[in-house]
Amino acid sequence: KQEVTQIPAALSVPEGENLVLNCSFTDSAIYNLQWFRQDPGKGLTSLLLIQSSQREQTSGRLNASLDKSSGRSTLYIAASQPGDSATYLCAVSLGYGGSQGNLIFGKGTKLSVKP
Amino acid sequence: ETGVTQSPTHLIKTRGQQVTLRCSSQSGHNTVSWYQQALGQGPQFIFQYYREEENGRGNFPPRFSGLQFPNYSSELNVNALELDDSALYLCASRPPSGAKDTQYFGPGTRLTVL
Repeated sequence: KQEVTQIPAALSVPEGENLVLNCSFTDSAIYNLQWFRQDPGKGLTSLLLIQSSQREQTSGRLNASLDKSSGRSTLYIAASQPGDSATYLCAVSLGYGGSQGNLIFGKGTKLSVKP
Repeated sequence: ETGVTQSPTHLIKTRGQQVTLRCSSQSGHNTVSWYQQALGQGPQFIFQYYREEENGRGNFPPRFSGLQFPNYSSELNVNALELDDSALYLCASRPPSGAKDTQYFGPGTRLTVL
């Protein structure tokens, strides 16, 4: 059974710091891995999607890496801003069976960036 | 291009009642998935519909059921509501390109069961 774990559960940093969020998964037979952002009580916004054949993806100040063999992904946020404050969720997509493409999520990392 | 929309935004029900939640998928998307997100947890997959047929289901009891319509909009029905059903219910749609593409999430419906 695929399980996704995110560390830390919460993180508070001063504005301007670079930071790393961690995600691990137990079954390497994934189709892809995604990072999402969720603001309080809201839906999910996709930040980055990494296909299983890729090693990393970048968008602006965000960079996500994937090491399928070790079951790990990191989300790097450069020069953090107060507007980055949100919960960040990691999700893997199964590559087999009737649930192909559906997402298994971690519990998220709640990020607070203080001005 | 219109994104994924859900209705209602909030809903309060009492234990034992039935509820229907609605989702309009993004234009051109033929696959819809539903997720349940309890407070402080990550979303959990309920089921998926493709071309009006359920083609994947998570670990949820049969009192959770759904429909997809020819225009690809979808409903989630929950019978015999329990207190633990209180959660944010998220709908997500995906284009015909399939599992390799991202899912686009709606804003969710907040269900409170008293």
